[in-house]
Amino acid sequence: DQQVKQNSPSLSVQEGRISILNCDYTNSMFDYFLWYKKYPAEGPTFLISISSIKDKNEDGRFTVFLNKSAKHLSLHIVPSQPGDSAVYFCAASGLTQGGSEKLVFGKGTKLTVNP
Amino acid sequence: KAGVTQTPRYLIKTRGQQVTLSCSPISGHRSVSWYQQTPGQGLQFLFEYFSETQRNKGNFPGRFSGRQFSNSRSEMNVSTLELGDSALYLCASSLTGTPNEQFFGPGTRLTVL
Repeated sequence: DQQVKQNSPSLSVQEGRISILNCDYTNSMFDYFLWYKKYPAEGPTFLISISSIKDKNEDGRFTVFLNKSAKHLSLHIVPSQPGDSAVYFCAASGLTQGGSEKLVFGKGTKLTVNP
Repeated sequence: KAGVTQTPRYLIKTRGQQVTLSCSPISGHRSVSWYQQTPGQGLQFLFEYFSETQRNKGNFPGRFSGRQFSNSRSEMNVSTLELGDSALYLCASSLTGTPNEQFFGPGTRLTVL
């Protein structure tokens, strides 16, 4: 079963507009959430994170929002730039069904920012 | 500071063979985690090693194994390869294993024919 879900495989936005990437999770034991960005032929790079005790974290053009009651988080990129075109992975950390703590990833959303 | 390195970058094997992938973490990092990335499943956690001990394990069959050496370098082995093992294998290192401190390598692209 997939504990972290990114239901949109792809997203296309115009340069300068807002990009909103969504992520849902099912395990209420998750207490830390991260977003990674991945370019082709490179490993994922950490982008921004949020603890479950917060509902918003901002870093420059990137803001992550967490809605614990809905088990939903989103990444906002404003303004979007062509260099933001990449695959974005949502990840969650916390006790999983097996009782261990590890990072669980979604399947990713491919963002394309058109000039 | 050198990043996480993985060798080889590309590998082609045939069904039934075995393969060993290598990961050198960032200097000083003691935790190494391995992930499998496929188009259909995204990134899936394989296992984590910390100070030469497997500390965490994902839901993969026993054909997937790993080890970590005293210098924190890690190897991952897949025996009796199947077509479905074709994937990008990523390793990530961190000081303690805390998720927000993980740094990923570029990955090894394994193709099984």
